[in-house]
Amino acid sequence: NAGVTQTPKFQVLKTGQSMTLQCAQDMNHNSMYWYRQDPGMGLRLIYYSASEGTTDKGEVPNGYNVSRLNKREFSLRLESAAPSQTSVYFCASKQVYEQYFGPGTRLTVT
Amino acid sequence: GQQVMQIPQYQHVQEGEDFTTYCNSSTTLSNIQWYKQRPGGHPVFLIQLVKSGEVKKQKRLTFQFGEAKKNSSLHITATQTTDVGTYFCAGPLNDYKLSFGAGTTVTVRA
Repeated sequence: NAGVTQTPKFQVLKTGQSMTLQCAQDMNHNSMYWYRQDPGMGLRLIYYSASEGTTDKGEVPNGYNVSRLNKREFSLRLESAAPSQTSVYFCASKQVYEQYFGPGTRLTVT
Repeated sequence: GQQVMQIPQYQHVQEGEDFTTYCNSSTTLSNIQWYKQRPGGHPVFLIQLVKSGEVKKQKRLTFQFGEAKKNSSLHITATQTTDVGTYFCAGPLNDYKLSFGAGTTVTVRA
């Protein structure tokens, strides 16, 4: 099992560009999450999907959209990137209570 | 809303010494989880505490949940270089969402 995979690992965007971060899990988990991590601020929830077909906003959803493509895949889209979105993005999945995190995407917006 | 606060933000430890990191919630928690993130890595689940006053041990790590279920602590004995990283506590906001603390970043002097 690969667990939770994320692509790309690194990305540099210019202000105003768009991109989609991909996430997939092979553990048959129902719930999936997108977090951002900034220095000194821990992990902040952007969006989550409790189960296939549902998505809900987290703590910091502005500037992002998500798609739960199927049970395995949960993507995060930045429509018009801003420097404030420079961060490390983690995808996670959960079945019971433990969350399993992917390796992260390091995004820089210039 | 619920906030989970962690202290200290940074902990510099001499190898072989003990230290404790603390987690405090503004509200009563049904459970609390702890995660560890190695430098450059992703968060990895360590443990979940559920009962009031619960104490669990994992080798040199001792986790405790307060009697009022509003605080928790992680105590590490005889710190080793493998303990380097950031330790996060997290409390549930609902059945699906967690509120993460900002983390305690541990460095070890050999």
